[in-house]
Amino acid sequence: DQQVKQNSPSLSVQEGRISILNCDYTNSMFDYFLWYKKYPAEGPTFLISISSIKDKNEDGRFTVFLNKSAKHLSLHIVPSQPGDSAVYFCAASAVGNQFYFGTGTSLTVIP
Amino acid sequence: NAGVTQTPKFRVLKTGQSMTLLCAQDMNHEYMYWYRQDPGMGLRLIHYSVGEGTTAKGEVPDGYNVSRLKKQNFLLGLESAAPSQTSVYFCASSRRTPSNQPQHFGDGTRLSIL
Repeated sequence: DQQVKQNSPSLSVQEGRISILNCDYTNSMFDYFLWYKKYPAEGPTFLISISSIKDKNEDGRFTVFLNKSAKHLSLHIVPSQPGDSAVYFCAASAVGNQFYFGTGTSLTVIP
Repeated sequence: NAGVTQTPKFRVLKTGQSMTLLCAQDMNHEYMYWYRQDPGMGLRLIHYSVGEGTTAKGEVPDGYNVSRLKKQNFLLGLESAAPSQTSVYFCASSRRTPSNQPQHFGDGTRLSIL
């Protein structure tokens, strides 16, 4: 049973606009969340993370929001650039370093 | 600056054959992981290791074995390959402390079982 879900398989956004990628989880024990970015034929690369003691973390154009009561997190990319076109995975962890990944959202930024 | 290196990058096997996938990391990480990625399924953890000489089962361990004889290497073995094991396999590593360290991934091994 999928504990981390990304319900949108794909998303298209115009360059310069905001991209919002969503992720839902079911396990209330998850206390650490990460976003990874993946280009074709490459492995995922770490993008940004957030601990459950926070509700927002920002790094340049990337911001992750966490709503613990709704078991929902989102990644905002502002402004979106063509180089942001990739598959984005969210991942969650409870204890230790075992992470559960979502199914990914393919983002296309249109020039 | 190699990071995590996976060997081979591609392989085609016949049902029943065996093979070993090699993962090597040069970052002195304590933790190492093997995942498989299938369409619509995301990345699922097969086995992982928290240190040299240790291994543990992940979400989908059946049909696979692993070994971590050296800190820098983590081997994934398929003793008798099945078509259901056709997938892209990713190895990852991370530091032990502080906790919840992001994982560094290799570029994957694309494995097809006929």
